[in-house]
Amino acid sequence: DAGVIQSPRHEVTEMGQEVTLRCKPISGHDYLFWYRQTMMRGLELLIYFNNNVPIDDSGMPEDRFSAKMPNASFSTLKIQPSEPRDSAVYFCASSFRGLGANVLTFGAGSRLTVL
Amino acid sequence: RKEVEQDPGPFNVPEGATVAFNCTYSNSASQSFFWYRQDCRKEPKLLMSVYSSGNEDGRFTAQLNRASQYISLLIRDSKLSDSATYLCVVNKSGGSYIPTFGRGTSLIVHP
Repeated sequence: DAGVIQSPRHEVTEMGQEVTLRCKPISGHDYLFWYRQTMMRGLELLIYFNNNVPIDDSGMPEDRFSAKMPNASFSTLKIQPSEPRDSAVYFCASSFRGLGANVLTFGAGSRLTVL
Repeated sequence: RKEVEQDPGPFNVPEGATVAFNCTYSNSASQSFFWYRQDCRKEPKLLMSVYSSGNEDGRFTAQLNRASQYISLLIRDSKLSDSATYLCVVNKSGGSYIPTFGRGTSLIVHP
C-alpha cells in the first residue's frame, strides 16, 4: 500500500484565497483524521470521520474551515477565506479500528503558508 | 490542566546515555496509550504502544502508571538516530476513540 497520500505537499497563497487540501487514506481503513500542527499549539485534532461520516468537528477553528469525505478513499479540508494565522502543517491520518484503537498512519502533510 | 502534558525539552544527551521521558494525562478513564516519534519536518510515526504491565522493544521501554496518571519512555544506549521529537498519545476519554497528542519532547543525541 502506498500509505496515506496528501496533496499538495506545499501551498503558498495570499490572504483571502480558498485553499483545498486533499487526502487519500489507506484502503480498508475506516477512520480518517485531520490534524493541524504549529510550533505554538502542537498537533491539534480538527475533525475525524468514521465510515465517511463526520463524528467530531469540535476542533475546527471556525466556519472558514470545512471538511468532507464523499467516499472511503477521499477527503478534503477546505479553508475559505484563508488567513495568515492558518499557516501550519496539516496532517491527514487514517486507522482501522479492528487493529487497535489510535494506531494512526499519517500522511506526509501539507505545509500551508498564507501571506 | 491540559489533557496530555509533556516536558518539551530539549533533552541533550551523549551517545550511549540512558534517557527517560514522562507524559501526564488528566482523564483517569483513558484506556489506551502510545508513543509516536516525529523527525524534523516529517510526519509522526508509531513507535510503540504502552501496556499496563509495561513493555519493551529493543532499547525502548514503555511503562504506564495509572495511579499517578503518567506514562514513560526509557531509551537505553542512545544513538544519534534517536534524535527526534517523541509524542505521547492518550485517548480522549474512557472508551472513546479520539487520540489526543501531547506537544512532544525533543531529544538530541550528540557524539
